[in-house]
Amino acid sequence: KAGVTQTPRYLIKTRGQQVTLSCSPISGHRSVSWYQQTPGQGLQFLFEYFSETQRNKGNFPGRFSGRQFSNSRSEMNVSTLELGDSALYLCASRGGQDYSPLHFGNGTRLTVT
Amino acid sequence: AQKVTQAQTEISVVEKEDVTLDCVYETRDTTYYLFWYKQPPSGELVFLIRRNSFDEQNEISGRYSWNFQKSTSSFNFTITASQVVDSAVYFCALSGGSQGGSEKLVFGKGMKLTVNP
Repeated sequence: KAGVTQTPRYLIKTRGQQVTLSCSPISGHRSVSWYQQTPGQGLQFLFEYFSETQRNKGNFPGRFSGRQFSNSRSEMNVSTLELGDSALYLCASRGGQDYSPLHFGNGTRLTVT
Repeated sequence: AQKVTQAQTEISVVEKEDVTLDCVYETRDTTYYLFWYKQPPSGELVFLIRRNSFDEQNEISGRYSWNFQKSTSSFNFTITASQVVDSAVYFCALSGGSQGGSEKLVFGKGMKLTVNP
């Protein structure tokens, strides 16, 4: 079974631009969540989607948004990029019951210059 | 609010040494889950173990063992006879119902383990 796939692996953007990151969950998994990882703040929850609906959201500004498609693939968008948005963005999918483990992708490394 | 503390930020050991990674958590939930994840240099977080708040049984899986103690709010992880392949960053995480559901994991800051040959 293929794992969680995130594209692209690396991105370099300029301050003020916007970016879209993509995540394909494990086949059959309907829940997709996103996390931001930075050296200073560590791993922080961004949001979670289930059956195309946002079910939960972390404490991030509205510049961070996401969506999920009918095939469970998810995209995350960050508008008006700031230097502080430079981070590793990790996507995770989950199947089965609540509190079953999250399966993470390799992440997208975003650098904002 | 939920919180996970991994007091150790970095540990370096020599192969075959035993190493224990500490994790202390805070939560007001009576039902919660604790997790350990490993992050190798490739970046993805690899699930190691899940434990719910009602199951205080310790667990052993090969060279890995976990000690869960509700009385001290700790969920420590021991690697016996460490190997170079164990080198990674290890995260302890907490998930509970009152803080928004099972997808919202609250992570500790992580502990970087380096195992030298």
